[in-house]
Amino acid sequence: QKEVEQNSGPLSVPEGAIASLNCTYSDRGSQSFFWYRQYSGKSPELIMFIYSNGDKEDGRFTAQLNKASQYVSLLIRDSQPSDSATYLCAALDQTGANNLFFGTGTRLTVIP
Amino acid sequence: DAGVTQSPTHLIKTRGQQVTLRCSPKSGHDTVSWYQQALGQGPQFIFQYYEEEERQRGNFPDRFSGHQFPNYSSELNVNALLLGDSALYLCASSGTLNTGELFFGEGSRLTVL
Repeated sequence: QKEVEQNSGPLSVPEGAIASLNCTYSDRGSQSFFWYRQYSGKSPELIMFIYSNGDKEDGRFTAQLNKASQYVSLLIRDSQPSDSATYLCAALDQTGANNLFFGTGTRLTVIP
Repeated sequence: DAGVTQSPTHLIKTRGQQVTLRCSPKSGHDTVSWYQQALGQGPQFIFQYYEEEERQRGNFPDRFSGHQFPNYSSELNVNALLLGDSALYLCASSGTLNTGELFFGEGSRLTVL
């Protein structure tokens, strides 16, 4: 069973701080990982994806991947109240139609 | 450029009834995937359609069926509704080379009473 696990939180950080979101996955064959943001009552939207070990930066967001530890993280620098949402980690199942396995999500609240 | 559109946005059904949900993919996309998201959970893969055929299916019973039309739009049908089918049903579209970058519609929220 391929699984993606996340700490469901909630995670609260003050405005301007760094928010750190973590995710582990069970399938060593997984190669690609995605972070989606979902505002309450809305659909998920892609923030970042990462394929290679190490860090990938995009603006205030940094994704980190460690395949040896089967660990993915998302750092949000200078957190803003508008970042308050649920963050979904997903792994790509590359054995078939390339569907995504999602974690349960981590709810982030940025306190002004 | 129209994104992924889904209808209806909300609907209420009773146990045992049947429901059909509809999805039009983002312009230029030919692959449609359906996900079920229960309250407080992450989306779970139901199935994917490409070239009017079901390409892969997740761990969902046969009560869940689908269809893709020549214009790439898709339907999700659920028969013999159960209380546990209450969820947000998300349609996601992608290009032929599905790299995992999915574009989601706003979803259809189904409540089964």
